[in-house]
Amino acid sequence: GAVVSQHPSWVICKSGTSVKIECRSLDFQATTMFWYRQFPKQSLMLMATSNEGSKATYEQGVEKDKFLINHASLTLSTLTVTSAHPEDSSFYICSALSGSGQRTYTFGSGTRLTVV
Amino acid sequence: AQTVTQSQPEMSVQEAETVTLSCTYDTSESDYYLFWYKQPPSRQMILVIRQEAYKQQNATENRFSVNFQKAAKSFSLKISDSQLGDAAMYFCAYGKVAAGGTSYGKLTFGQGTILTVHP
Repeated sequence: GAVVSQHPSWVICKSGTSVKIECRSLDFQATTMFWYRQFPKQSLMLMATSNEGSKATYEQGVEKDKFLINHASLTLSTLTVTSAHPEDSSFYICSALSGSGQRTYTFGSGTRLTVV
Repeated sequence: AQTVTQSQPEMSVQEAETVTLSCTYDTSESDYYLFWYKQPPSRQMILVIRQEAYKQQNATENRFSVNFQKAAKSFSLKISDSQLGDAAMYFCAYGKVAAGGTSYGKLTFGQGTILTVHP
C-alpha cells in the first residue's frame, strides 16, 4: 500500500534554532499534503494544507512565518519550524492525499520535536 | 463547518469481548466520507474502516464494523473479539467529497477515545 516516510522520527533542538521535517510519498504522487500537530492524548490539530507547486493554506491561529511549508514536488513536502521555542515542542504528523484512483489519506509516522 | 464529537474519552473492554465506540458529526452536506483511525502507542495513524455516506450498507473489516445512521448523524465503531493489540486511541473523522465521488480536502477529527483491553 501507499507509504509516507517522515523524518526525523524525533529531534531535540535548542531554543532559537530551526528544524526541518520531511515527508516523502514513496510509491505514489501526493497532490495534497496536510500537516498536523498533536499534544499527548489529544486529537490531531490541522496546521496547514499544501498542494504541490502552490502556497500552503494555514489554519486560523497558525503562524505562517513560523511554520514554513514547502511542497515543491509531488513526492516531497517539508515543514520547517523557525526560531523554535519550548512551546513548539509537540508531535507533528503529515498526511498525504493520493492524486488518482480511490483517493486515500496516508499518514507519516510522526516527528516528536523537543525544544530545550 | 463540520464538527465531529466523540463523547467517550476512555473505554475499556475484556479480551475477546465486544466494545462499541461512539461518534456523532454535524454537516450540511449530503455526501461525504467517514473514517475510523487507530493510533497505537507508536502513534502511527492506521485506517481501520471507511464509510461512504451514499452507501446504506454498513462497512465491515474483519472484526471491525460500523453502525452508520445518516439521519441521526451517528457513526459508531464496533470491535468484536477484542484483542490486546486493539488497545489504542481511536479517532473518528469526517472527509468531504469532490465531484466524481473522490475524497478531497482536510479531515475533521473527533477528540479521540482511548481504548484499553484487559487480558
